[in-house]
Amino acid sequence: AAGVIQSPRHLIKEKRETATLKCYPIPRHDTVYWYQQGPGQDPQFLISFYEKMQSDKGSIPDRFSAQQFSDYHSELNMSSLELGDSALYFCASSFLETPYNEQFFGPGTRLTVL
Amino acid sequence: AQKITQTQPGMFVQEKEAVTLDCTYDTSDQSYGLFWYKQPSSGEMIFLIYQGSYDEQNATEGRYSLNFQKARKSANLVISASQLGDSAMYFCAMSPTGTASKLTFGTGTRLQVTL
Repeated sequence: AAGVIQSPRHLIKEKRETATLKCYPIPRHDTVYWYQQGPGQDPQFLISFYEKMQSDKGSIPDRFSAQQFSDYHSELNMSSLELGDSALYFCASSFLETPYNEQFFGPGTRLTVL
Repeated sequence: AQKITQTQPGMFVQEKEAVTLDCTYDTSDQSYGLFWYKQPSSGEMIFLIYQGSYDEQNATEGRYSLNFQKARKSANLVISASQLGDSAMYFCAMSPTGTASKLTFGTGTRLQVTL
């Protein structure tokens, strides 16, 4: 079965640089979520999109922005990177019509900021 | 607001034995889902099982079962016949139903399966 695809899998950036993370949801899934997981932490919700519209927002820094495109893939743009942005970034997708809207996660993008 | 509590930072279990990972939750939502995810050392987040707040029967999925006690607000994961490959971090999470809402995670339990 097709899974959520994230690219790149690993990314190394310098402070103050920008990064773009991409997410391709499971086919027919209409909702995309972004989470950030710091070392030894649980995943923290950043933002979600349903049918290409932002649906929920968590503790996402103003330096980050995201969008969902017409083909349902999503991109997380991160600017003015800081050392504290080093983390594993997950994208998850779901189909809202399922009874409990279970979210399926991609393999994650490991971002290291030097 | 929703809150998930996992009080066991780490657990050990012998191969072939059963283990229970604890999860309690708090929410003001009437309808919600409870989820368990497995995160191996490689980092991916693997969906294991879910339980709906209105489901009368406990969820089961292969060797995984969820012991759901709504009055006590607990949703413990039971893994039967543990295998070495079950060694991982396990997260309990919840989300309101019917919305594209976030998952709220607990702090996780690291399970180590020994020979």
